[in-house]
Amino acid sequence: GAGVSQSPRYKVAKRGQDVALRCDPISGHVSLFWYQQALGQGPEFLTYFQNEAQLDKSGLPSDRFFAERPEGSVSTLKIQRTQQEDSAVYLCASSRDRPDYGYTFGSGTRLTVV
Amino acid sequence: LAKTTQPISMDSYEGQEVNITCSHNNIATNDYITWYQQFPSQGPRFIIQGYKTKVTNEVASLFIPADRKSSTLSLPRVSLSDTAVYYCLVGAYRSGTYKYIFGTGTRLKVLA
Repeated sequence: GAGVSQSPRYKVAKRGQDVALRCDPISGHVSLFWYQQALGQGPEFLTYFQNEAQLDKSGLPSDRFFAERPEGSVSTLKIQRTQQEDSAVYLCASSRDRPDYGYTFGSGTRLTVV
Repeated sequence: LAKTTQPISMDSYEGQEVNITCSHNNIATNDYITWYQQFPSQGPRFIIQGYKTKVTNEVASLFIPADRKSSTLSLPRVSLSDTAVYYCLVGAYRSGTYKYIFGTGTRLKVLA
């Protein structure tokens, strides 16, 4: 596609509910990133994929967070047993093989846990 | 990865040149310096990237001194639509992974 597409755009979850956030990267982009952005803060790195391989998951805040990219294209970020502190915008970005040259972000999914 | 420090906010007037300076004292040899722009309810948008000296594209210039411990994003003749948050970050490929660390950014407000 022309850009990075994320769905849903908004998600309201009750505390304790599981959620799945989807990212469709730009076609052919090898690298894919997930970031979490709290209100008024800069994005914080969560995890990085190169094709289907998850090369870095050091930013995932707890074992309730899980990301996958099984076919090296679409990625899903799953949060189990959501907590109020998980409320944030979740941003996905993709890049060609060398993201030294910058990467393209989606508009994000705004998750609100009530 | 190197931590970056930027002013929290800046105000400017339409038509003026805006310079936003970022310090990154611990930048490593392989690190690039990248700037992103973010509008409310949107993801960050790549503006410019450089390694040393000066880089210019159609929207901005990036000045990097020889020691690379700081960098300056220059926006020529800003307009109201340039009101946004600007992030400076450094990052490089290390051990099979890329990781870019965003700071809190600089909130630029352009006034009429």
